[in-house]
Order: sequence, then C-alpha cells, then structure tokens
Amino acid sequence: DAKTTQPNSMESNEEEPVHLPCNHSTISGTDYIHWYRQLPSQGPEYVIHGLTSNVNNRMASLAIAEDRKSSTLILHRATLRDAAVYYCILDGGSQGNLIFGKGTKLSVKP
Amino acid sequence: NAGVTQTPKFRVLKTGQSMTLLCAQDMNHEYMYWYRQDPGMGLRLIHYSVGEGTTAKGEVPDGYNVSRLKKQNFLLGLESAAPSQTSVYFCASEGRQETQYFGPGTRLLVL
Repeated sequence: DAKTTQPNSMESNEEEPVHLPCNHSTISGTDYIHWYRQLPSQGPEYVIHGLTSNVNNRMASLAIAEDRKSSTLILHRATLRDAAVYYCILDGGSQGNLIFGKGTKLSVKP
Repeated sequence: NAGVTQTPKFRVLKTGQSMTLLCAQDMNHEYMYWYRQDPGMGLRLIHYSVGEGTTAKGEVPDGYNVSRLKKQNFLLGLESAAPSQTSVYFCASEGRQETQYFGPGTRLLVL
C-alpha cells in the first residue's frame, strides 16, 4: 500500500486558515486521497476525499497537486473545535486497506 | 439513524477472561471493520468483513476472532484476554467511495 508523510504537529490561531500538507509520492493512479480527523476521545471522522480534482465540502477543501504526489487539506477558518489529529490516507479500493499513520496533531490557539 | 454504535463503552478484564465487543450499523453497509488504537498511534486493522457471513484478517488479527451473522452486526471476540490487548477498539462501516464511518470506541483494560 502506498504510504503518506505528514508533519507530526501544527499550530494555528483561531479564525485563521490552516493548510495541512501530505506527501504521497508513491500514489497509484487508482488511489483516492482521504482525510479523516480524530477529536480527543472520539472515533475518526471523515473529512473529505478526492482523486484528481480539487474538492470542497462544508468542512474543508482538498487541493491535490497536478502530479498527485502531494495534497493539502485546507480549513478556511480554524475554530477551537478543529483541534484534532488529521490523517491523510490513500485508498486503492481494496477492502480494509485504509492505513492510518500517526497523522498531524493540529492545535488551535484562541 | 444512529450510524455506528459500539457496546460496551468501557470494560476491565482479567488476563485469561473472554469477552465480545458488539458493533452495530443501521446504514445497510456491506463492509465493516474492527481497528485497535494504542496510545499515540494510528489505527491498525484487526479483521474486516465484506458482507454477511464473510470475514477476513487484517494487519493484527492474532488473539481475536470475529463473526458477521447479520449484516448490521459485526462482533469482535477475545477468547483469552492478554494485557497486550489493552487498547481502544473502533468499529467502522463503509459507505460510498470507500468512506468509513466510525463508532465511538470501546476502551478495554486487561489486568
């Protein structure tokens, strides 16, 4: 399975945009890029996913590089509730191969 | 629509005891998963199921068994609990485009 690399931690100020990077240089053509987040003491929560084009939803935006070897999750205005561990995951469609790494721990300062 | 639920929320076992964790989903999803998460780590896949009556091993299956007798339920069993199985267990079901929906977790402490 293709691997992702994320910074261990990032900090942001409340109400400012946050750009969470993810490198996935060995991505294959059929791998979707998924982002999940895990708030303290909760199960992971789906955020967004995409294949080639940039994606927007009510939670975030996903910017995918043209060569697909990296992507960026964008939170447009961070809130205290966005403090969580964010996981970037590649999924090739085979059952059970959502591989969660250590993710990026996002801290949001008031 | 409750999504994915897990019971119990918390359990303490002694070494050698057995228990079953229950996961239920009301979204009519075919695929279901059991993960474990240890402190400071990401999730690791234990077992999964692609439909009623089918199960398969994940990354860390040893010491666990699973059953999927009904589509909406996925059971995780520990026949003889060990301290190394102290962890938080998450169940998930999979919807469209491989999006997984997770339960709130079961915290298990094995003494």
